[in-house]
Amino acid sequence: TQLLEQSPQFLSIQEGENLTVYCNSSSVFSSLQWYRQEPGEGPVLLVTVVTGGEVKKLKRLTFQFGDARKDSSLHITAAQPGDTGLYLCAGARSYQLTFGKGTKLSVIP
Amino acid sequence: EAGVTQFPSHSVIEKGQTVTLRCDPISGHDNLYWYRRVMGKEIKFLLHFVKESKQDESGMPNNRFLAERTGGTYSTLKVQPAELEDSGVYFCASSQLSFNYGYTFGSGTRLTVV
Repeated sequence: TQLLEQSPQFLSIQEGENLTVYCNSSSVFSSLQWYRQEPGEGPVLLVTVVTGGEVKKLKRLTFQFGDARKDSSLHITAAQPGDTGLYLCAGARSYQLTFGKGTKLSVIP
Repeated sequence: EAGVTQFPSHSVIEKGQTVTLRCDPISGHDNLYWYRRVMGKEIKFLLHFVKESKQDESGMPNNRFLAERTGGTYSTLKVQPAELEDSGVYFCASSQLSFNYGYTFGSGTRLTVV
């Protein structure tokens, strides 16, 4: 049973477009963490959101944690080819992370 | 600072053989984790060490998997005997602060059991 539904699984967009990735769960998490993974490498932490309703910005990336701490979103503004990669959300409960399946993003020049 | 180091990066073994994966966490990180991604599935938790003690091994699939962390430093994950369904990428991660601050992952070991 997958506890963290991540969507979409695949996304192919043109450079300059905006996009949003969603992570939804019926469970409450202590925090929601977003990672980015390149082929042959491990996940690299982008951001953690801890407080319900929290919004964090990392350059063109905006991360939001739902008020009930069950869902999160990642919004990328004006996507660049360098944003291409696999984006993973992970909910933390105690020291265990529950991962979504990931969103494979391709940004076409 | 050096990151989390895992080796080997790839391992191909026959069913029934034994394989040992190693992880060197970031120096000073008390928390060490093992995760696994099998093909087509999400990354899943295997276990968590604090220093040399196993805090949570609820994700270990069965008793063919044995993890140790000698002296609270590096960790090994042994699979004996390996089965076909053990194939996947095994990730190690470490952290010093609360889990809410995120983890540093290694590049993983791709295990193929044939």
